[in-house]
Formats: sequence, C-alpha cells, structure tokens
Amino acid sequence: GQQVMQIPQYQHVQEGEDFTTYCNSSTTLSNIQWYKQRPGGHPVFLIQLVKSGEVKKQKRLTFQFGEAKKNSSLHITATQTTDVGTYFCAASNSGYALNFGKGTSLLVTP
Amino acid sequence: DGGITQSPKYLFRKEGQNVTLSCEQNLNHDAMYWYRQDPGQGLRLIYYSQIVNDFQKGDIAEGYSVSREKKESFPLTVTSAQKNPTAFYLCASSTRIELFFGSGTQLSVL
Repeated sequence: GQQVMQIPQYQHVQEGEDFTTYCNSSTTLSNIQWYKQRPGGHPVFLIQLVKSGEVKKQKRLTFQFGEAKKNSSLHITATQTTDVGTYFCAASNSGYALNFGKGTSLLVTP
Repeated sequence: DGGITQSPKYLFRKEGQNVTLSCEQNLNHDAMYWYRQDPGQGLRLIYYSQIVNDFQKGDIAEGYSVSREKKESFPLTVTSAQKNPTAFYLCASSTRIELFFGSGTQLSVL
C-alpha cells in the first residue's frame, strides 16, 4: 500500500509550547488525512487535504499539504493538556483503503 | 445513536483456537475495514470491504479471515494460523472521505 513516513515518533512539550508533526511520501498523494487518537481511545478524523499547497486551520491546529503533494504537516500552536494523544496521517492513491503512518505521540506537561 | 460497535472489548485466545471479533455499524456505510494496531506501529490494514459479499486483502491478511454477508456487519476471525495475534483491533466504516472507528477490541493470547 501507499507508504507514509511520519516524524517524530514522540514529542514531549511544556504546555504553551508549539508542536509540529510531519508526514512524508516518496510518491505523489491524491489526498492526505489526519487523525487523533487519545490514550485508550480510537482514532478520530480531523481533516482531509486535497489540493497542492493547501493550508487549513482548526482553531490552534494548522494543516498543510506540500506543493508536490508528497508531504504534509500538522502544527499546534500553544499546546494544551487536551492535545495529548497520537496524531496519524493517512493516505491513499485512489480507492477506499487508507494507509496510516506510525503516528506521533504527543505528551504535554502542565 | 449512530456509530460502530465492536465486541467484545477484551478477548483472550488459547493456543490453536480461532476467535471472532464482531463489528456492526448503523451508519449505512458501504465500506468497512479492519486495522490492527501494535504499539509504535501505527495502524495496519488487514481486510476491507467496499460492498456486501465482496472484500479485499490488506497488507497483513495472513492468518485472518472476514465475511460481509450484511451491509451492517463485518466480522473478523483470527485463525490459529496467526502466530502473533496479540494486538488492538480496530474496525471502521467510511463515507468516501473519513473513516469512523469503533472503540476497538484488545486481543491477548493465554
């Protein structure tokens, strides 16, 4: 399946600091999705990016899709303890099946 | 209340035993999926089904089997051929965009 590499694997920040996770592919992606999984929970859809260079914001979260559609990032401004969890990117070339990155686990210390 | 129901929440398998994980959805979605989650490994696709009576293998289908006799149901059987079954199993259904996940089944080997 479509391989997406995600870095870093873990990130520990103080509350109020910013956080960024990156997702990279060796091939061009038709779209990319981001999910959040709280500890002990299941993944929840955050957003889908489709267009080259697309930037979308959800409150303190900013999602970007690269110009070449081979990379994406999720940036959280001024983290809060409620941001704790694992963030996954997921992609498919076409069709229905998504392939997930290994995720970035975010820990926020008050 | 619409959603995806997975049962049981916890399941234990004995050596040489087949076990079946249940997944039911009332979202009227055509597509359904099974993912396996291991610590630090992200989500790996086991099987998916785009329509009743049809399903396709994902990246790690060996040792697993599925059926899709009804639109609402997509049970996963972990067979004795799966030598390392201990993992968190997530079922999902989909519109053409986002995946909706169930709360998962933790399978362990006795």
